[in-house]
Amino acid sequence: NAGVTQTPKFRILKIGQSMTLQCTQDMNHNYMYWYRQDPGMGLKLIYYSVGAGITDKGEVPNGYNVSRSTTEDFPLRLELAAPSQTSVYFCASTKGESEQYFGPGTRLTVT
Amino acid sequence: GDSVTQMEGPVTLSEEAFLTINCTYTATGYPSLFWYVQYPGEGLQLLLKATKADDKGSNKGFEATYRKETTSFHLEKGSVQVSDSAVYFCAPLLFLHSEQLTFGSGTQLTVLP
Repeated sequence: NAGVTQTPKFRILKIGQSMTLQCTQDMNHNYMYWYRQDPGMGLKLIYYSVGAGITDKGEVPNGYNVSRSTTEDFPLRLELAAPSQTSVYFCASTKGESEQYFGPGTRLTVT
Repeated sequence: GDSVTQMEGPVTLSEEAFLTINCTYTATGYPSLFWYVQYPGEGLQLLLKATKADDKGSNKGFEATYRKETTSFHLEKGSVQVSDSAVYFCAPLLFLHSEQLTFGSGTQLTVLP
């Protein structure tokens, strides 16, 4: 099992550009999550999904969108990138009542 | 509302020192409790967990006991090593319907040789 994979590892965007952060898990987990981690800070939940076709907002959803067309994939879309979106983004998944498995993260800089 | 409070860092210790990182939470029920660790440049990974009152989670020399009376889940290690340098997050499972963890603010630990 590869676990949770994220691409790309690093990205630099200009203000106003858009991009999609990819997240895939091969553990057949129903629950998936997107977090952002700002320097020296904890994790903030952006969006989550409890199963294919179902998504919901977390604590900081503004400026982002998600979709969950399959169990495996949970891409995060940034529209009109802003400097405030400079952060490290983590995707995670769980089968429920157990640990969350995290991807290695995507480091995004918006300039 | 439901929340988690974690001891602020950074914490700097010498090798073989005793470590305690405090974590308390507020919740209407008795959530499962987790400690996650993040090594430099990596994602989070589970360190230990406890699912009911008085349970003790343990892993890699770290321990934490689920204290229902004080709603606490303090992380301890008797003798830290340089390799324990990382950020530690307390995370109760406060939203069962979405299996959503609520992460504490994280405590940066640096262990000096």
